[in-house]
Amino acid sequence: QSVLTQSPSVSAAPGQKVTISCSGSSSNFENNFVSWYQQLPGAAPKVLIYENNKRPSGIPDRFSGSKSGTSATLGITGLQTGDEADYYCGTWDSSLSAGLFGGGTKLTVL
Amino acid sequence: EVQLVQSGAEVKKAGDSLKVSCKASGFDLTNYWIGWVRQTPGKGLEWMGIIYPRDSDTRYSPSFQGQVTISADTSISTVYLQWSSLKASDIAMYYCARSPSVIRGGAFDFWGRGTMVTVSS
Repeated sequence: QSVLTQSPSVSAAPGQKVTISCSGSSSNFENNFVSWYQQLPGAAPKVLIYENNKRPSGIPDRFSGSKSGTSATLGITGLQTGDEADYYCGTWDSSLSAGLFGGGTKLTVL
Repeated sequence: EVQLVQSGAEVKKAGDSLKVSCKASGFDLTNYWIGWVRQTPGKGLEWMGIIYPRDSDTRYSPSFQGQVTISADTSISTVYLQWSSLKASDIAMYYCARSPSVIRGGAFDFWGRGTMVTVSS
């Protein structure tokens, strides 16, 4: 069981918006950045969001991130079938002195 | 072009030792942290550990401390993940990934394609 909690699955129709949440604790979210990764089937993960809300170059602005207290959210607008993937949050845990990933959320675009 | 080229798939027996590699190119390895991430079949990502090759500062997740060793050879821009005695529970895909800063949750901004490790009993 991951220290960072994500809902196992979420679904929405093409063109719609979806949010994926990640819940942590003060030892990880407080004073630490959250990042989000997309893993398409059979591929390595790819960073979508870093430092809570920044997008690397090449990531469309359909993807957004936010953090408040001990939770973070990934938002995806204008859903496309190509967005079907597993999404993971990640951060550093100051108590463990190690990184963490959430358990992952499987996005289905109906 | 930034590349992290991982060594090929391995099939080993329980109790064998193993060292897999991650060769960096297109950037200065000594300015980045390189981490290892495990993904067991059909499961999520697990943060294993990370090394700063410039001074070999290494951090391990408590779940992997003592179970694996992460090392680096800056002369050939390569980072390693090794086991002294493999178990069936080590069957997984292992990814190396680059991070400009690990403290405070620096993201992994570039990933290798993964090395699949299979262990037979």
